[in-house]
Amino acid sequence: DAGITQSPRYKITETGRQVTLMCHQTWSHSYMFWYRQDLGHGLRLIYYSAAADITDKGEVPDGYVVSRSKTENFPLTLESATRSQTSVYFCASSDDRGYEQYFGPGTRLTVT
Amino acid sequence: GENVEQHPSTLSVQEGDSAVIKCTYSDSASNYFPWYKQELGKRPQLIIDIRSNVGEKKDQRIAVTLNKTAKHFSLHITETQPEDSAVYFCAASITGNTGKLIFGQGTTLQVKP
Repeated sequence: DAGITQSPRYKITETGRQVTLMCHQTWSHSYMFWYRQDLGHGLRLIYYSAAADITDKGEVPDGYVVSRSKTENFPLTLESATRSQTSVYFCASSDDRGYEQYFGPGTRLTVT
Repeated sequence: GENVEQHPSTLSVQEGDSAVIKCTYSDSASNYFPWYKQELGKRPQLIIDIRSNVGEKKDQRIAVTLNKTAKHFSLHITETQPEDSAVYFCAASITGNTGKLIFGQGTTLQVKP
């Protein structure tokens, strides 16, 4: 678990601001994922990446941008935050076989 | 696309009883089925998984069964303890593809002392 970290752990921002959530893993995992978790909706996939410079949309990508220039980092940017993006965001990673996906500790984001 | 249905959404048992959570999946190509436990305010943690070439897997008090024909799999927790209280998520994926997990909606398990 210590191999995947997220920062910040808590963030309060205002509507319309740009926010970047960071995710870093030390396992050299190929796959990385961003989820959001809201009460009543479980875990919803925002974006995922199969390798550096390869990203694809998940279930709820609107309003988010990702990049992956290095294998170990997968930042998630909210270009213009909205109140509906208030949520807990989890980053996860797994190796190139696709088994055993491990989650980071999460970032609790509040948009006021 | 792939869909995973999980039941029940809430489950309350007495300490020492067994608990069973069931999931069904839609894509017959799915070959990997993990279960995650999420305690309040914490990250989801992988507790057990099963691959399609196995029908059952057990780890101490928890076990998972898989019926590929019926496309469903279940989590069994025996001799439940208060610390088993959490939200449990099932998931399914096709490994070696995108690595994506399709999650069920979650089951809130309450174990009453």
